[in-house]
Amino acid sequence: QKEVEQNSGPLSVPEGAIASLNCTYSDRGSQSFFWYRQYSGKSPELIMSIYSNGDKEDGRFTAQLNKASQYVSLLIRDSQPSDSATYLCAVYNNNDMRFGAGTRLTVKP
Amino acid sequence: KAGVTQTPRYLIKTRGQQVTLSCSPISGHRSVSWYQQTPGQGLQFLFEYFSETQRNKGNFPGRFSGRQFSNSRSEMNVSTLELGDSALYLCASSFFLAGESGELFFGEGSRLTVL
Repeated sequence: QKEVEQNSGPLSVPEGAIASLNCTYSDRGSQSFFWYRQYSGKSPELIMSIYSNGDKEDGRFTAQLNKASQYVSLLIRDSQPSDSATYLCAVYNNNDMRFGAGTRLTVKP
Repeated sequence: KAGVTQTPRYLIKTRGQQVTLSCSPISGHRSVSWYQQTPGQGLQFLFEYFSETQRNKGNFPGRFSGRQFSNSRSEMNVSTLELGDSALYLCASSFFLAGESGELFFGEGSRLTVL
């Protein structure tokens, strides 16, 4: 079982729709959770961090964490073509940051 | 301010050779993490250095090693290269330990091809 799992996609949504990205992790002791965005041919960049159960909103992005279910999600409202990228879930525990394989999102105009 | 700089950007080696990759973090950042990125496996953690000390190491064989200098610059070395080592090697820096802030700043990567 991989430590951090994501659906590889591709996930395709129309412009203006809500994109929902999911991530599960195996280690219950994980402390911190992050979403990174990686455009094709570019390096990852941090877009959201979440540390406690519940929702955290930042503009069009909402991160949701449920530690009991070992589940993290990212919602992107009013999706734009510029949101088309691979989204990486990252989980921190035991002094290292582990990434999922990423979900490729395509937003169609 | 300048971002994370990785050199070389591209390199081709043959099996059995060794390679050294360099990473210069953002000025003031004390943590440098290394990752291997491949299409099938995604980003895999290699190791993290903080103030010249290796804080943790991922599940890679001993052929993969690294170090950090007093100016926070870091190098990673791969000896006895194998075909499966072909990948994009990403370096990321942060002021605190990676997990304390979670905000890793990545370099453009070094793309290694092993023939």
